[in-house]
Amino acid sequence: NAGVTQTPKFQVLKTGQSMTLQCAQDMNHNSMYWYRQDPGMGLRLIYYSASEGTTDKGEVPNGYNVSRLNKREFSLRLESAAPSQTSVYFCASLKQGTTDTQYFGPGTRLTVL
Amino acid sequence: GENVEQHPSTLSVQEGDSAVIKCTYSDSASNYFPWYKQELGKRPQLIIDIRSNVGEKKDQRIAVTLNKTAKHFSLHITETQPEDSAVYFCAASIYLNTGFQKLVFGTGTRLLVSP
Repeated sequence: NAGVTQTPKFQVLKTGQSMTLQCAQDMNHNSMYWYRQDPGMGLRLIYYSASEGTTDKGEVPNGYNVSRLNKREFSLRLESAAPSQTSVYFCASLKQGTTDTQYFGPGTRLTVL
Repeated sequence: GENVEQHPSTLSVQEGDSAVIKCTYSDSASNYFPWYKQELGKRPQLIIDIRSNVGEKKDQRIAVTLNKTAKHFSLHITETQPEDSAVYFCAASIYLNTGFQKLVFGTGTRLLVSP
């Protein structure tokens, strides 16, 4: 049981390049999230997926798109990277009902030059 | 929009002292309040949580209290140890009009425990 996994762990992009951050969970959770973490600003929600087939914007969605490929996988895409998107990105999953605990992946550290 | 405020942003204590971190939330419909600990370079991990039907919850050296009327909740760590040094985040659950819950996080408290 690997929990929540993310790839890659580190990435450096040039302004204008695109990339996709991958996230997968093997806990059969319905809901998944993408956050960004910047110094002094905590965790800010980019997009979330309440269940397979649905996605919605969070607090800071501009410049990002997501795909909930199936129940396990939730990817985050940067179409044209900007220096302001330099951050640490965390994926999380949540099992609603008995608990509202979010389980986080190990994070992706992204630098946009 | 929904907001969770967390204080202090940094907290330095001596080993063995107690540490208290406080949060306030704005949405009176919030009913779930988790606390996460994040060590340097690692992912956030849940350490304790509380639901709105409970005023206090304890787990060994860690306790959380909730004042629904004042919309305050706090994390208490007793007999602090150097391994407690980390960033701590509070969060409050927010209900969306679809019935789905999401968490809104505070900005974090960096706790440093000196030997």
